[in-house]
Amino acid sequence: KNEVEQSPQNLTAQEGEFITINCSYSVGISALHWLQQHPGGGIVSLFMLSSGKKKHGRLIATINIQEKHSSLHITASHPRDSAVYICAGREGNTPLVFGKGTRLSVIA
Amino acid sequence: DSGVTQTPKHLITATGQRVTLRCSPRSGDLSVYWYQQSLDQGLQFLIQYYNGEERAKGNILERFSAQQFPDLHSELNLSSLELGDSALYFCASSDLDTQYFGPGTRLTVL
Repeated sequence: KNEVEQSPQNLTAQEGEFITINCSYSVGISALHWLQQHPGGGIVSLFMLSSGKKKHGRLIATINIQEKHSSLHITASHPRDSAVYICAGREGNTPLVFGKGTRLSVIA
Repeated sequence: DSGVTQTPKHLITATGQRVTLRCSPRSGDLSVYWYQQSLDQGLQFLIQYYNGEERAKGNILERFSAQQFPDLHSELNLSSLELGDSALYFCASSDLDTQYFGPGTRLTVL
């Protein structure tokens, strides 16, 4: 069993829908990262969270340390949001442990 | 553009060969991380260097080695290549909180 689990694995949404991607982890984590991987392969860091909630544009990330759970929300989704979203956790300065990713397709 | 550069972009080689992947971190970043992304395994941490010294090691095979040079660029050496080594190899550099990923090198072993 992977230490970092994401759900769903695949997600198809209509343009404008509100999207939620979930990440649960079974190890102690002091920081959780959300990454976006574009169809061309490039990876962009979206958020780093250690508590609470962060917002950037239409993206919102939340984390509940006690429940070992984080969510990434996308409001008013758009076809350009189509990508693979990856969560990754770390404890202190240990290396990142990655989930397997959620493939999102937003259809116009 | 993350500021992290990787060369080459694509590499096609044969089993048993040796290749070198190169990474230049963002200006001012001392840490370099190497990751492997294969279709079935997802992203996996290989190794981290900080200011020339190895800081952490992950699932890196003995056939693989890396180093970070005084100018902070890093090289990942893959030898005795096998079909299963075909993957995307990313390097990343970091400030305190964020990792900045390079565009990756796609390695195909035939």
